Amino acid sequence: GQNIDQPTEMTATEGAIVQINCTYQTSGFNGLFWYQQHAGEAPTFLSYNVLDGLEEKGRFSSFLSRSKGYSYLLLKELQMKDSASYLCAVLRSGGSYIPTFGRGTSLIVHP
Amino acid sequence: GAVVSQHPSWVICKSGTSVKIECRSLDFQATTMFWYRQFPKQSLMLMATSNEGSKATYEQGVEKDKFLINHASLTLSTLTVTSAHPEDSSFYICSARVSTYEQYFGPGTRLTVT
Repeated sequence: GQNIDQPTEMTATEGAIVQINCTYQTSGFNGLFWYQQHAGEAPTFLSYNVLDGLEEKGRFSSFLSRSKGYSYLLLKELQMKDSASYLCAVLRSGGSYIPTFGRGTSLIVHP
Repeated sequence: GAVVSQHPSWVICKSGTSVKIECRSLDFQATTMFWYRQFPKQSLMLMATSNEGSKATYEQGVEKDKFLINHASLTLSTLTVTSAHPEDSSFYICSARVSTYEQYFGPGTRLTVT
């Protein structure tokens, strides 16, 4: 099975930097996704990591360490619109390639 | 880009009735679609994997006779909640797989059973 752990809630100030961590335990690993989900809306894709290291995409970066079962999403220059839930999802191995989602981290950005 | 639509976006129904939710891939063909359920402040829980032309694969604990899934074409999958009860009230989201590592989500359907 898979166990994915994220903090439930985080708060940060506009313009600041925030790091959202995700730890996972899985018997097989085919990559890790980060999604952003605003309340009442569907998740939107942010990043996909399958190799160790940091991938930067504009204000958002995602890091993966497979040996530690650890990932983080880094958000820079926070904006009010970044207030949302951030979902970490691990892609199962075994041929089905079905992602399993964590509970999500609710990020609140305040002025 | 890949667009997935869902219809209806919200529905209110009475207990005991059935509700059908449609999921369409608008500009691509999807042999595989997923159906998720999400309760408030909870994560997405996969209900079933829908494969075009074959029976859906349900996750453990999901009643296949209650949640009927039909994937009749490469662009349409439907989820029918039969004999709905208040505890079925939730946010139902579908996604369509573009490739092994890519899936796009529909906007979701808010179901309220009274």
